[in-house]
Amino acid sequence: DAGITQSPRHKVTETGTPVTLRCHQTENHRYMYWYRQDPGHGLRLIHYSYGVKDTDKGEVSDGYSVSRSKTEDFLLTLESATSSQTSVYFCAISEGPGGGTQYFGPGTRLTVL
Amino acid sequence: DAKTTQPPSMDCAEGRAANLPCNHSTISGNEYVYWYRQIHSQGPQYIIHGLKNNETNEMASLIITEDRKSSTLILPHATLRDTAVYYCIVRVGGYILTGGGNKLTFGTGTQLKVEL
Repeated sequence: DAGITQSPRHKVTETGTPVTLRCHQTENHRYMYWYRQDPGHGLRLIHYSYGVKDTDKGEVSDGYSVSRSKTEDFLLTLESATSSQTSVYFCAISEGPGGGTQYFGPGTRLTVL
Repeated sequence: DAKTTQPPSMDCAEGRAANLPCNHSTISGNEYVYWYRQIHSQGPQYIIHGLKNNETNEMASLIITEDRKSSTLILPHATLRDTAVYYCIVRVGGYILTGGGNKLTFGTGTQLKVEL
């Protein structure tokens, strides 16, 4: 299995509070992604990174920001959490061209009350 | 990316081969077929991918028809641990620097239930 960890694995927070999710990889892969998974919507891409300090928006980026200061870490921040951001968040990595092969982390279950 | 069609559910007896079909009749010449699965509450897991030739790895085999309009994922000896939702995804190879990024589009997949 690809060396991908996510922390925390579970979090309950209140509306309006900031939340940061961390994705850590030991594979030295260049590309990293954040998805969210909700019933009826499948997996949707939030943000992705194609290198250190290089990030771009996905299809559902509103309300989220990301940072990547090191190859191994990709942080997802909810600046002011809302109940609509209750979801399961997955991080993924890919080595490079041929990015259809992505390896996913175990997920973080976030509940915003 | 081409649209795919999969049966919503399938059953398989443990130890038997599980054959999961996928239709992708609008596939383009530069699009690959990828298979992923998601075991309950876990992250999706890459299984295999191919362009036109049949492929095999330690997990599964992928059979793509000559016209590339459909494919079949074969789990040769299914076990209870193979119970999962299986997703067939068709997309171009390579990294795509477009507005949607290098996203994978997961449909609803096939729920495979392996039983004793």
